Amino acid sequence: QVQLVESGGGVVQPGGSLRLSCAASGFTFSTYGIHWVRQAPGKGLEWVAFIGYDGSTKYDADSVKGRITISRDNSKNTLYLQMNSLRTEDTALYYCAKEYGVAAGPRWFMDVWGKGTTVTVSS
Amino acid sequence: EIVLTQPPGTLSLSPGERATLSCRASQSVTGGYLAWYQQKPGQAPRLLIYDTSSRATGIPDRFSGSGSGTDFTLTISRLEPEDFAVYSCQQYSTSPLTFGGGTKVEIK
Repeated sequence: QVQLVESGGGVVQPGGSLRLSCAASGFTFSTYGIHWVRQAPGKGLEWVAFIGYDGSTKYDADSVKGRITISRDNSKNTLYLQMNSLRTEDTALYYCAKEYGVAAGPRWFMDVWGKGTTVTVSS
Repeated sequence: EIVLTQPPGTLSLSPGERATLSCRASQSVTGGYLAWYQQKPGQAPRLLIYDTSSRATGIPDRFSGSGSGTDFTLTISRLEPEDFAVYSCQQYSTSPLTFGGGTKVEIK
């Protein structure tokens, strides 16, 4: 079945870096864009970033702009989120989520989500 | 950015009852580009509704969505035990994508 599995979360000090991964299976990964969405403890969901099906299109939220890099390896069916200069407010459960629309026609909502990986930024 | 508000934070209802969840936008969500998701602890969020009223694949017809402009509603006609969860709305008419804070539907 269609599945997304995040990994790479952990505890990091402020100013540190972390790379999250998202392994996809059960669908043609190379034809779908993927989003990262996070949820801080006790808060609502927050969209973080998007990468298009072929990696040529990327968007990110103002809250992480300049501090993250989203990338993908379609040969490995894997998505990455490199996070640098981490702040305490980046503490959250990070989800990767499959874009509903195919290829160059994103619809900007998500039809399959992973269970998330936890990032804790603390000294 | 469009801010989505979901009052109340918690709805206490009994199985079999009707649930009506609200999502209010700070400005018009053009095109009706609004989705609803269900979240349960330890599970991946699940897409329920998109484009205001279209049910996602495999979603039971007790779930329905309606609304336009700045006011949207998710209705669960008769609550089943598995429906007690947190429900969040998301708009995708204007960048950046934004979500509401969620409404928890709990067992009364």
